[in-house]
Amino acid sequence: DQQVKQNSPSLSVQEGRISILNCDYTNSMFDYFLWYKKYPAEGPTFLISISSIKDKNEDGRFTVFLNKSAKHLSLHIVPSQPGDSAVYFCAASAGGRDDKIIFGKGTRLHILP
Amino acid sequence: DAGVIQSPRHEVTEMGQEVTLRCKPISGHNSLFWYRQTMMRGLELLIYFNNNVPIDDSGMPEDRFSAKMPNASFSTLKIQPSEPRDSAVYFCASSDWAANYGYTFGSGTRLTVV
Repeated sequence: DQQVKQNSPSLSVQEGRISILNCDYTNSMFDYFLWYKKYPAEGPTFLISISSIKDKNEDGRFTVFLNKSAKHLSLHIVPSQPGDSAVYFCAASAGGRDDKIIFGKGTRLHILP
Repeated sequence: DAGVIQSPRHEVTEMGQEVTLRCKPISGHNSLFWYRQTMMRGLELLIYFNNNVPIDDSGMPEDRFSAKMPNASFSTLKIQPSEPRDSAVYFCASSDWAANYGYTFGSGTRLTVV
């Protein structure tokens, strides 16, 4: 049973426009959420995170929004650039000493020229 | 730091053979994680260690899979005997959970069982 769900396997966005990647979770114990980016033949790399006490976190072109009541988070990339083409994984953790991170299946983002 | 180092990068083996994947975590990190990536299931957590002790192996699919961490700088994931459905990319990651959240992943081992 997937605790972290990314329902869009792929997304295509025009260069310069906003990319919005969505993620839903089912475990109400999750209190920390992360986004990872993965290029082919490389391991995932950490992109941005948000604690459950916040509803927004921004880092340059990347912003993550958290809606706890809906158990939903989203990653906004603006403006989208060609180098943003990658697979994006949404992930969540319940925190504490049990810090294992549960990942979604990923969304492949294509930035179109 | 060289990051998390995994070997080999690619492994092709015949069904029934033993396969051993290796991982060297980042020095000073006290947690180590083994993940498997497939198209159908995405990134699945197989097992993780804190201070070299296995904490949660509930993701290990079958008894054919085993993992060890004999010291803070080395871990192995073994599959014996291997089957074609084990074909996937296996990632190792490490973290210093006391300092921050988020893992550093290795580049992965692409395993193909024929």
